[in-house]
Amino acid sequence: GAVVSQHPSRVICKSGTSVKIECRSLDFQATTMFWYRQFPKKSLMLMATSNEGSKATYEQGVEKDKFLINHASLTLSTLTVTSAHPEDSSFYICSARPDGRWDTQYFGPGTRLTVL
Amino acid sequence: GENVEQHPSTLSVQEGDSAVIKCTYSDSASNYFPWYKQELGKRPQLIIDIRSNVGEKKDQRIAVTLNKTAKHFSLHITETQPEDSAVYFCAANGGGADGLTFGKGTHLIIQP
Repeated sequence: GAVVSQHPSRVICKSGTSVKIECRSLDFQATTMFWYRQFPKKSLMLMATSNEGSKATYEQGVEKDKFLINHASLTLSTLTVTSAHPEDSSFYICSARPDGRWDTQYFGPGTRLTVL
Repeated sequence: GENVEQHPSTLSVQEGDSAVIKCTYSDSASNYFPWYKQELGKRPQLIIDIRSNVGEKKDQRIAVTLNKTAKHFSLHITETQPEDSAVYFCAANGGGADGLTFGKGTHLIIQP
């Protein structure tokens, strides 16, 4: 149980294009999901908290217009990187917190984004 | 917000020896402290966690201790094995954010 999937696992795009990443909780409902970013050999940085049915909460320094988050159902959150640039290249990982739990998060496998 | 410091950044131990990784946090309101293991290119895997109403928790070769007064918590791995080699992250849930604040990670190397 407690499986989280992410799609795609890898994506390469040209500068200026937009990329959508999906995060799904496969066997539990998650009103709250999180998006993290990880640079090579670095730690995970919380970007935003995704809440089903309401606006996402962004961490300081994260541009909400650049990283669009939609949490349309209790099992799906999407992150869209708009007008991507090479500096947006990174490993993006989502996590989901099962409803009824206030603490534990389960992570997706991550998406490697490369912007040319 | 929350600030989590983790040490050491790299730890090399002989197979069979113990490994200890230490973290400190800044927000006294934090009440959940998970530890994750991440292998190269893979997702972080929760290996053990501790909540603020507990001082110590053990799961086979892995244990975590928490000192709320000093605001630090530690991961202990005994009888280390080659498959323990990975990057380990501590985290805390304070700072007002709903998500986790992670330490910078410790690269654990188990020498055969």
